[in-house]
Amino acid sequence: ETGVTQTPRHLVMGMTNKKSLKCEQHLGHNAMYWYKQSAKKPLELMFVYSLEERVENNSVPSRFSPECPNSSHLFLHLHTLQPEDSALYLCASSLGATSNQPQHFGDGTRLSIL
Amino acid sequence: ILNVEQSPQSLHVQEGDSTNFTCSFPSSNFYALHWYRWETAKSPEALFVMTLNGDEKKKGRISATLNTKEGYSYLYIKGSQPEDSATYLCAFIRDTGGFKTIFGAGTRLFVKA
Repeated sequence: ETGVTQTPRHLVMGMTNKKSLKCEQHLGHNAMYWYKQSAKKPLELMFVYSLEERVENNSVPSRFSPECPNSSHLFLHLHTLQPEDSALYLCASSLGATSNQPQHFGDGTRLSIL
Repeated sequence: ILNVEQSPQSLHVQEGDSTNFTCSFPSSNFYALHWYRWETAKSPEALFVMTLNGDEKKKGRISATLNTKEGYSYLYIKGSQPEDSATYLCAFIRDTGGFKTIFGAGTRLFVKA
């Protein structure tokens, strides 16, 4: 398997549920990213990990909790979400986090909060 | 407030037409500008990474230019084809001691056969 893989592709959950989004890359990259795409809004960068260390956190509410156990895997743990959190969540990776490297994106998880 | 503006918001062209669109960004603390193509039901795909003022990059029929002093980048598509239909995103990377990535809302291109 190559590229960036995200699971699940679709997720419907209630506000009191706890779920996790998973992202996996087999490109040998050292940096991984979580983005949020809400309807009619630009992509918003949520978190950046470089060599398994979080290097950027863009004022994301604590109900979103990222985890990067190794450079190939990235999780986004979700709990007590709000209806406005319904969005497409995209994962990306790049060779390094120096931002002159292109990012490779997954297909995203479409999240709906009931 | 840091804004990355893309114009037009959407564009309809005929097959064979050449087209271009704009990404405007703050001219201070520039580090890099990325262009991505995002086709429906697929993931965004990197087109160009641009770092130097005056940069010009080309990939097949698509090319891009960069002016960091005035804060804009142009993306050109020569002889548009239906398969070019997609949303084209630019991302401005700012360096103020740490990197901050800001995406534009994209230009949605429709190419009619």
